[in-house]
Order: sequence, then structure tokens, then C-alpha cells
Amino acid sequence: KQEVTQIPAALSVPEGENLVLNCSFTDSAIYNLQWFRQDPGKGLTSLLLIQSSQREQTSGRLNASLDKSSGRSTLYIAASQPGDSATYLCAPKGGRRALTFGSGTRLQVQP
Amino acid sequence: EPEVTQTPSHQVTQMGQEVILRCVPISNHLYFYWYRQILGQKVEFLVSFYNNEISEKSEIFDDQFSVERPDGSNFTLKIRSTKLEDSAMYFCASSLRTGEDQPQHFGDGTRLSIL
Repeated sequence: KQEVTQIPAALSVPEGENLVLNCSFTDSAIYNLQWFRQDPGKGLTSLLLIQSSQREQTSGRLNASLDKSSGRSTLYIAASQPGDSATYLCAPKGGRRALTFGSGTRLQVQP
Repeated sequence: EPEVTQTPSHQVTQMGQEVILRCVPISNHLYFYWYRQILGQKVEFLVSFYNNEISEKSEIFDDQFSVERPDGSNFTLKIRSTKLEDSAMYFCASSLRTGEDQPQHFGDGTRLSIL
């Protein structure tokens, strides 16, 4: 059974900092991995999808990397802004269709 | 940009009552999903649906749950006899296909409160 761990659980940084969010998963047989953003009481916004054959994927100030063999993914956020404050979730997809979610990293960017 | 829409945004129901949560997936998508998130816990998979049948379900999705695509646009989750522990945020998602290049797109959720 896939287990997903996200470190750190919470992070508070001043505006402008570059930061890295970590995700590890126990079953490396995945098809892809999605990173989501969740604002309090809101839905899940897909940020990036990185396929199992890819090492990196970029969208604007976001860069996700994937090391499938070691069961790790990182989300890099460049030049953080207060509007980036949210919970970030990673979710690998295995051979079945379901996503397995981590508990998330709660990010606070201080102005 | 097309999006998944869910109604209602908040549903309050007495324990033991039936509840139906509604979703309109993105129009050309073929795969549909329900997930739930109990307050303070992880998002958990419930069920996936394709070609008018369940393709996968988790151990959470027991006999009190059912899903249906009653017409060409709606996708519903029914809970037959609600329990206090069914209180959660329920998310609907859809994807065009299930290939490794296909993201799942989520709605804003329905907050279900069982009294």
C-alpha cells in the first residue's frame, strides 16, 4: 500500500525566499505524480504533473523534480510571495487510477 | 478554462438520512472520481468510474455508498444512511484519460456535516 510523507509539515518564510518542499513515497511503481495547492476550506488546484519518465517539470516559478527509484519528489518555489501561502499536497498515481495523497506542507509567506 | 463544479457547497443532514452530492465533470472527460477529506486528515480516494461502471473502489466505499452518472453531464455520490463519521469534505475529480500524462482536475468540494 502506497504511503506518502511530506516534510516539513509547516513552513514560514519571509517574502522573496526560494524554498523546497519534499515528498517521499514508498511504492516507486508510479505512473505520475501531481502537486496540488489547497487554500483553507477550498478545493485542490493542480499545479504540476510530472510523468514517471520525466525528471523535472516547470511552470512559472514552480519546478517539480521526480526521482522515482528513490521514491522522492521535490517542489521548488522561487521568489516566494504572500499569495503562495497555502497547503501544498503531493499525490503519486500508481497502476490503479487513484491518487494517494500526503498530509501536505502548510506554507506561510510573510510580507 | 473548463472546471469541475460541485453542488451544494455545504450540506447539513441528520444522521441516518440519505444524501446525494452532485458533480459536473469537465465536458469531454471520461474518467470520474470521488475523494473525501475528513477535517485535519489526508485526502482519501473513494471510487473511480468509467464507461458507466465502477473501475476501482477503496475499502471506505462500502455498501452505503453508490455512484451514478444519471445523464451525460452529472456524476453523483449517494450515501444511503449517513453516519457522524461521514462528515467530511467530498471532492469530485475528472480526467480525460488515465495515461501518465493526464492530470486529475478537482472541484471545490462539498462540505458534508452530519448532525
